[in-house]
Amino acid sequence: AQSVTQLDSQVPVFEEAPVELRCNYSSSVSVYLFWYVQYPNQGLQLLLKYLSGSTLVESINGFEAEFNKSQTSFHLRKPSVHISDTAEYFCAVSGSNAGGTSYGKLTFGQGTILTVHP
Amino acid sequence: DSGVTQTPKHLITATGQRVTLRCSPRSGDLSVYWYQQSLDQGLQFLIQYYNGEERAKGNILERFSAQQFPDLHSELNLSSLELGDSALYFCASSLIQGAAGELFFGEGSRLTVL
Repeated sequence: AQSVTQLDSQVPVFEEAPVELRCNYSSSVSVYLFWYVQYPNQGLQLLLKYLSGSTLVESINGFEAEFNKSQTSFHLRKPSVHISDTAEYFCAVSGSNAGGTSYGKLTFGQGTILTVHP
Repeated sequence: DSGVTQTPKHLITATGQRVTLRCSPRSGDLSVYWYQQSLDQGLQFLIQYYNGEERAKGNILERFSAQQFPDLHSELNLSSLELGDSALYFCASSLIQGAAGELFFGEGSRLTVL
């Protein structure tokens, strides 16, 4: 079984400050890792994902996340946030079971509400 | 706009009643997923269909059922509703059924049980 822990339920920051949203996962098999973002009254949107290769992945709007296998983490960072980054962020994991096939089911963390203040 | 359409957007009903939530996936997507989002449980995976067949089951109650039709739209049926079933129900779709596929989420159906 897989699980995801997002260590902070709320993160308030000032505009242009750096931010880190922490995510740890637990899995007995190889994993794929995702960050999704949910703006108010909207569905979730994929922000970035790690499947294989380089452990540092980036989004088009300046976020990045680093897969750290030894620490089982996939923290999300942005060097300078904007007001428009205010949203709830979800870390998610999927992967293949030993000897089986994953069908794309994502297991989500509890979410981190990022609030950017002027 | 993700391309995933969910109806109704809001639904208010009473305990003991039955409701049906509908989802139309993105054009061409074969996989449909249902998730329940509530304040205390977070986002919980309910069930997945791929091209009409059930592929994975999560924390779905026996009072709940789902199906995917030949035109690939899906319905989630919730019966004998309880106050605790009040939540936001999301449908998501993806082209493939593998773990690496990006999920595209609808805007959700907010169910309130009084």
